[in-house]
Amino acid sequence: QKEVEQNSGPLSVPEGAIASLNCTYSDRGSQSFFWYRQYSGKSPELIMFIYSNGDKEDGRFTAQLNKASQYVSLLIRDSQPSDSATYLCAVTGRGYGGATNKLIFGTGTLLAVQP
Amino acid sequence: EAGVAQSPRYKIIEKRQSVAFWCNPISGHATLYWYQQILGQGPKLLIQFQNNGVVDDSQLPKDRFSAERLKGVDSTLKIQPAKLEDSAVYLCASSLIQTGVAAYGYTFGSGTRLTVV
Repeated sequence: QKEVEQNSGPLSVPEGAIASLNCTYSDRGSQSFFWYRQYSGKSPELIMFIYSNGDKEDGRFTAQLNKASQYVSLLIRDSQPSDSATYLCAVTGRGYGGATNKLIFGTGTLLAVQP
Repeated sequence: EAGVAQSPRYKIIEKRQSVAFWCNPISGHATLYWYQQILGQGPKLLIQFQNNGVVDDSQLPKDRFSAERLKGVDSTLKIQPAKLEDSAVYLCASSLIQTGVAAYGYTFGSGTRLTVV
């Protein structure tokens, strides 16, 4: 079982629609959860993080976390063509001594927003 | 605040040659990470430094990869000899304190794209 799993996509949505990106993780000890956006040929850019169960909103982005189900998602409202990118889910992983001081990434979901 | 600097941006080498990548983290960031991202995959941690000490190198192929972080600032990652499967983007990231990543994640440099032919 992979530590962080995402559907590779592509996820295609029309402009103005809601894009829903999902991620599951295997380590119940993971404490923090991140979404990175990566444009083709560029490095990952942090867009959201969440620690507590429930929803966290930032502009058009909403991160959702359900630790009991080991599930985290990202909703993008009013999707724009400029949102077309790969979205990477990352969770804190256990390093030496058990400290959660590194990020483990999923393979990413490619989002394509159609004009 | 200046970001994480990496060089070179691109490198093409033949298999069995050696190559080195350089990273300068954000000023004051004690923790530095090297990730490998193969096309179509997510970044995979190779090595993590806290100041100039190695914290985690469990996924570093030590028969061919080496890394150092002298004086707790700049870092270099070396591959010798390179294999075709080493073709990837090598990303450097830094965070303020070791536990800081749990709160804020970290910032990536622009990466070095390596092609081994």
